[in-house]
Amino acid sequence: GDSVTQMEGPVTLSEEAFLTINCTYTATGYPSLFWYVQYPGEGLQLLLKATKADDKGSNKGFEATYRKETTSFHLEKGSVQVSDSAVYFCALSGGGNYGGSQGNLIFGKGTKLSVKP
Amino acid sequence: DGGITQSPKYLFRKEGQNVTLSCEQNLNHDAMYWYRQDPGQGLRLIYYSQIVNDFQKGDIAEGYSVSREKKESFPLTVTSAQKNPTAFYLCASSIGLGQPKQFFGPGTRLTVL
Repeated sequence: GDSVTQMEGPVTLSEEAFLTINCTYTATGYPSLFWYVQYPGEGLQLLLKATKADDKGSNKGFEATYRKETTSFHLEKGSVQVSDSAVYFCALSGGGNYGGSQGNLIFGKGTKLSVKP
Repeated sequence: DGGITQSPKYLFRKEGQNVTLSCEQNLNHDAMYWYRQDPGQGLRLIYYSQIVNDFQKGDIAEGYSVSREKKESFPLTVTSAQKNPTAFYLCASSIGLGQPKQFFGPGTRLTVL
């Protein structure tokens, strides 16, 4: 079945460092891809998305490009801030059947990012 | 403001007791979801509902039950049959089941004593 694999954390960086969080997926069909962010003690918020190959999603300085040839959707940011400390989830949707219904999200296990001042 | 509310934020339960977690949305979304989050395991789908009076099991429905009597509300009951209920529970909604952008509530942390 469809699945998402993220790099394991935790990831600890200094402020202004470059961030990459790897995400690869397995899916039938043509899924949409997402990055969600979860700040401590809160629910998830959609960070960015891409719905077709070569699309680049971007938001708040974060970017991710939908690479069909490598089945990847790596999250990047050029200069992280302390306020970026959170757990980041890669997710896919719509690649094929999941639970009998397309449109449900399949999440990776999450990567915890800690940014030190 | 439109959004999703979950209550309570923290919940404690004795073993053998059923407990109900509330989820309300005023986004006029048709689809609603319940996820369970455990450390290092990401989110796992418990139940989802496409429309009022309809719901389907997700990956880990055993020991849980839901109802969808109103469009705005999708309560989750954690029954005594759930062997390991201590977790963080997240409710979400989307415009429709075919619309994958989901909006999440703040979550309820359930602890079984």
